[in-house]
Amino acid sequence: GAVVSQHPSWVICKSGTSVKIECRSLDFQATTMFWYRQFPKQSLMLMATSNEGSKATYEQGVEKDKFLINHASLTLSTLTVTSAHPEDSSFYICSAFGQADSPLHFGNGTRLTVT
Amino acid sequence: DAKTTQPTSMDCAEGRAANLPCNHSTISGNEYVYWYRQIHSQGPQYIIHGLKNNETNEMASLIITEDRKSSTLILPHATLRDTAVYYCIVSQNSGYSTLTFGKGTMLLVSP
Repeated sequence: GAVVSQHPSWVICKSGTSVKIECRSLDFQATTMFWYRQFPKQSLMLMATSNEGSKATYEQGVEKDKFLINHASLTLSTLTVTSAHPEDSSFYICSAFGQADSPLHFGNGTRLTVT
Repeated sequence: DAKTTQPTSMDCAEGRAANLPCNHSTISGNEYVYWYRQIHSQGPQYIIHGLKNNETNEMASLIITEDRKSSTLILPHATLRDTAVYYCIVSQNSGYSTLTFGKGTMLLVSP
């Protein structure tokens, strides 16, 4: 089945620094990828839709200048959390559709802790 | 996307069948029923999906009522590793539409 890989699986950074999270589709091309965020004991919330070769579409309330998304190839989307603050600490998960009519597949998530 | 209603939590004994219900009374004719689960600190895992007919795969069975207003996910022989949050989601089967997650059902499988 389709596999979505995320890296790193966890990261700790200091407040004010930037962190980049990679999302790769391993055995298929993904023109569209989705980025979610999940706070403790809450459900997944969609942050943005990443489109290969064009600008990402952000959900209401998500700052596009803070969460930079780059989808430069059909197998890689990156999410950069800029000037991270402790309130950005969360579980970030990416997802993508595989081949036609396949369901949405998710990466294993990245646990970000900002100290 | 149509909204779904699931019980907050359920318990199941290991080896027994786990039947997880979901109500989706406002589902549209072109919307599918998807089930995912999320084991602690992992990304969601696809389980099964269906439109009208019942579906079965190596993980589970999906029973959809004739009026499509509710469905049940069946794990025939639950194991401890099936302990997870189970999400029932209705959505159009599109390569461009993402999924909206509700709160899901926390299934606890006990020895």
